[in-house]
Amino acid sequence: GENVEQHPSTLSVQEGDSAVIKCTYSDSASNYFPWYKQELGKRPQLIIDIRSNVGEKKDQRIAVTLNKTAKHFSLHITETQPEDSAVYFCAALSWGKLQFGAGTQVVVTP
Amino acid sequence: GAVVSQHPSWVICKSGTSVKIECRSLDFQATTMFWYRQFPKQSLMLMATSNEGSKATYEQGVEKDKFLINHASLTLSTLTVTSAHPEDSSFYICSARDAGTSPYEQYFGPGTRLTVT
Repeated sequence: GENVEQHPSTLSVQEGDSAVIKCTYSDSASNYFPWYKQELGKRPQLIIDIRSNVGEKKDQRIAVTLNKTAKHFSLHITETQPEDSAVYFCAALSWGKLQFGAGTQVVVTP
Repeated sequence: GAVVSQHPSWVICKSGTSVKIECRSLDFQATTMFWYRQFPKQSLMLMATSNEGSKATYEQGVEKDKFLINHASLTLSTLTVTSAHPEDSSFYICSARDAGTSPYEQYFGPGTRLTVT
């Protein structure tokens, strides 16, 4: 089955700086890669996603890149703000099921 | 659009009893629903996939007789934790997919915090 690895596990950044989270996946058949933001005790919230036929996607301060050959994808958050502090999960869709990475705790300090 | 609700939002039960959690798609028909479990400071782990009108498919290591899943309609799936034990205490999250709109995106419910005493 699919295996998704996510790094780093924690990330502390100064407000205004950029944050980058990286994930790798194992199943070359995976074709959809969403990123979720989860606040404590809340549901995962989709912040951006990318399909396998696209290399990059951007939505305001958030961007995702996908390298199918290397089987890795990354989340980039620019101009970070304190409200960006949360746990971020990457995921890969394989055979109709989402496999999640272990998560990254992002802390944005003012 | 694409709202998924769960009930209850939290529940406390005694060891040995059963508890039922409901997952509803409010404004779309969910051809497939998924049940996840999330322990503190851990990731979401898929427990089972349920398709309306058919038996659920459980992930390896998940006891189907302990975690009963019923997907009787296109808007409702239930998870019953039978003979609950303290180690079953967790955050249970459902998600739903509307294959008619997108074969990819899953819409998550708000989760149910289960505490077994």
